[in-house]
Amino acid sequence: GENVEQHPSTLSVQEGDSAVIKCTYSDSASNYFPWYKQELGKRPQLIIDIRSNVGEKKDQRIAVTLNKTAKHFSLHITETQPEDSAVYFCAASGAGGGADGLTFGKGTHLIIQP
Amino acid sequence: DADVTQTPRNRITKTGKRIMLECSQTKGHDRMYWYRQDPGLGLRLIYYSFDVKDINKGEISDGYSVSRQAQAKFSLSLESAIPNQTALYFCATYDYVLGRDYEQYFGPGTRLTVT
Repeated sequence: GENVEQHPSTLSVQEGDSAVIKCTYSDSASNYFPWYKQELGKRPQLIIDIRSNVGEKKDQRIAVTLNKTAKHFSLHITETQPEDSAVYFCAASGAGGGADGLTFGKGTHLIIQP
Repeated sequence: DADVTQTPRNRITKTGKRIMLECSQTKGHDRMYWYRQDPGLGLRLIYYSFDVKDINKGEISDGYSVSRQAQAKFSLSLESAIPNQTALYFCATYDYVLGRDYEQYFGPGTRLTVT
């Protein structure tokens, strides 16, 4: 089955700086890669996703890049703000595009220092 | 947004007891999922269902069973709870969200403690 590795486990950045979280996956058939943000005590919420037919996707201060050859994808947050502090999870779909469920990384605790 | 509800939100139970966690959704999505979350381990898939006649095991189904009573309801049971099943449990649905493409949407979670 799919295996997703996520790094780093904790990331501390100064407010206004950029943050990058990286994930690798093992199943070359995976074709859907979402990123979720989870605040303390809350449900995971989708913040951005990418499908295997594109290499990069942006949504305001958030971007995701995908390298299918190397089987890795990354989340980029620019101009970080205090409200970006949370745990971020990457995930990969396997061949089902997400319909068969997702395999998650172990999460990155992002801390924004004022 | 998909309206996914879970009951109970918090539950403390004893080792050996049977417990059921319930999930309901009001958006008419066919696909439903159960995940568990443990600190430092991310979310792991327990079971998923495409409709009332289609139930599939996920990565960690041992010790759990599920029932899809209707399109809108998907229940997770622990037949004989054990302490290492203490975790946060999330139900999720998956379907097309207008303007956003297909999306897996999570319920609010059930915190289960087995003593």
